[in-house]
Amino acid sequence: QVQLVESGGGLVKPGGSLRLSCAASGFTFSDYYMSWIRQAPGKGLEWVSYISSSGSTIYYADSVKGRFTISRDNAKNSLYLQMNSLRAEDTAVYYCARDGDWVSFDYWGQGTLVTVSS
Amino acid sequence: QSVLTQPPSASGTPGQRVTISCSGSSSNIGSNYVYWYQQLPGTAPKLLIYRNNQRPSGVPDRFSGSKSGTSASLAISGLRSEDEADYYCAAWDDSLSGLWVFGGGTKLTVL
Repeated sequence: QVQLVESGGGLVKPGGSLRLSCAASGFTFSDYYMSWIRQAPGKGLEWVSYISSSGSTIYYADSVKGRFTISRDNAKNSLYLQMNSLRAEDTAVYYCARDGDWVSFDYWGQGTLVTVSS
Repeated sequence: QSVLTQPPSASGTPGQRVTISCSGSSSNIGSNYVYWYQQLPGTAPKLLIYRNNQRPSGVPDRFSGSKSGTSASLAISGLRSEDEADYYCAAWDDSLSGLWVFGGGTKLTVL
């Protein structure tokens, strides 16, 4: 069965960095686009970043552009999000989600909490 | 402020039919598919409706989606206590530098 497992969250000071990982299994990872979507405490969902199946096409939300970098390693069935210059407003649960030609965000990971605080 | 507009709350009694609206614009709902996600308390979102009105396998036919112009709706018939959750609409947006936009979410309470 399809599984997405995020890791790498934690407490970091403003201006710090963190790298999130998402391990995929149960499907052919290299066939699918992937996205990171976050949810601040008590708030709604916010799309963060997208990467195509080959990694050649990447998009970011304006709120993270220039600070976050999405990447993937198809050989390792893994998705990553490098987060630099973190701000308090980046505090959220970060989900990775599968995307495809026919249906988007059909599977989500359990999420990993990132807390930016001094 | 979310790009897609949803009512913050909705409610109904068991067995009732409730609808949740999602309003957008020509660059998102007006020209792209609408998706709906259900988020039970403390869990990750789950796909409920894709491509405006398609249900993934395993989603009961009590849930249905529709779209007209720049608005969409999620209908839940035969309301059950386990339907109490947050519901989000989403769509691809052609105009913004970000690709995907979400509604602010609707908290459904089963009275």
